[in-house]
Order: sequence, then C-alpha cells, then structure tokens
Amino acid sequence: AQSVTQLGSHVSVSEGALVLLRCNYSSSVPPYLFWYVQYPNQGLQLLLKYTTGATLVKGINGFEAEFKKSETSFHLTKPSAHMSDAAEYFCAVRGPSGTYKYIFGTGTRLKVLA
Amino acid sequence: NAGVTQTPKFRVLKTGQSMTLLCAQDMNHEYMYWYRQDPGMGLRLIHYSVGEGTTAKGEVPDGYNVSRLKKQNFLLGLESAAPSQTSVYFCASSRTRDTQYFGPGTRLTVL
Repeated sequence: AQSVTQLGSHVSVSEGALVLLRCNYSSSVPPYLFWYVQYPNQGLQLLLKYTTGATLVKGINGFEAEFKKSETSFHLTKPSAHMSDAAEYFCAVRGPSGTYKYIFGTGTRLKVLA
Repeated sequence: NAGVTQTPKFRVLKTGQSMTLLCAQDMNHEYMYWYRQDPGMGLRLIHYSVGEGTTAKGEVPDGYNVSRLKKQNFLLGLESAAPSQTSVYFCASSRTRDTQYFGPGTRLTVL
C-alpha cells in the first residue's frame, strides 16, 4: 500500500539558509511523487513532480527534489530561503494502479526567520 | 481560465442542517475529487469522480454524498451535518491520473 511520511511538522530556517523538507514514501508500484505548497488561506499549488526519467526534478520558485529509490525518499530543497517561502508543504504519492487518488503526507509548516 | 472554483468560501451550520458545496472547473478535466483538510492529518480523500455521471468513495466517505451530473461540476453534500465535519474542504481536478489542480477551499464550521 502507498504511504507518505513527512518528518517534522514544523521547520524553521533563517532567510538565506538552505531549506530541506523531508519526505519518505512507500509504494508497491513505481511511484509518481509530488510536492505541493499551500500559502495561508489558499488552495494547494503544485511545486514539482516526479513521474519517470531524471531523478532530480526542478520546480517553481527555485525548489527542487531528488527521487532516491534506494532510500525511498523525495526530499525537497532550496539553496536559499526567502521570506515568501513561508507556507505549508505537502508531499504526495499517487495511489495504486487502477485508482485515482493521491496519498498525502501530514504536511510541514516552514517558517522563515529574518 | 478560472481553473477550479469553489462555492461558498465560508459556511457555518448547526448540527443536523444540510448543505451542498459546489466545485466547478473550466479545464475540461475528466477527474474530480473532494478532500477534507484537518490539522495534523494532511488531506484525506472523501469522494472522487472519473467522469460525468460516475462517483466513487475515497478514504472518509461517511456522512457525505456527491454528484457529477455535468462534467464541469462536482457537488459535495452533507445531509445532516455533525461537528466532526468541521473542516476545510478542497476540490481538485485532473486531466489524467497525473497532476491535480486544487480550488481555494471552503471553510465549514458545524456548531
């Protein structure tokens, strides 16, 4: 069965510091993996996704993530945090073959300190 | 394109009342979904639809009903609201099993 674990419900970084948000997944089939961002009082917006091919995926706003099959991980990084990055981030894996659902992690709230 | 829109944005109900949440998308997507978001629990799928006239249960369907009479609309109904249904509800749509596009959400409070 598919599942997603996000380590750390809250992460704080200083402006200009590296952002690292962790996501581990479990999947019985080759996974499709996603990172979404949710700004306060808004819906979810796709940051990036991995389907097949290159394991380093670049997304919007300078974020990227690397699919590591051996570690079952899909961690999200950004070299230099901006105040505008403060939001909640969700990792998701597409559900089993034949279904259409996503399995979401519980989210990580990123705080950027001036 | 407006993308995915949800009506209403906010609603307060009393226990036992009923209501319908409307989701509309203008991207001609086949697939539509209703999620609820609760603190510390991420998003959980309530119901989904793989095409006009079809619906299916997700993870937490109890207490909710849905209808997809038109391709662009997906309605979520609460027949008898309970305080446990206080949540933020998100609708999403997708063209395939790939990327889902989310609406802005409906914040529902049941007293």
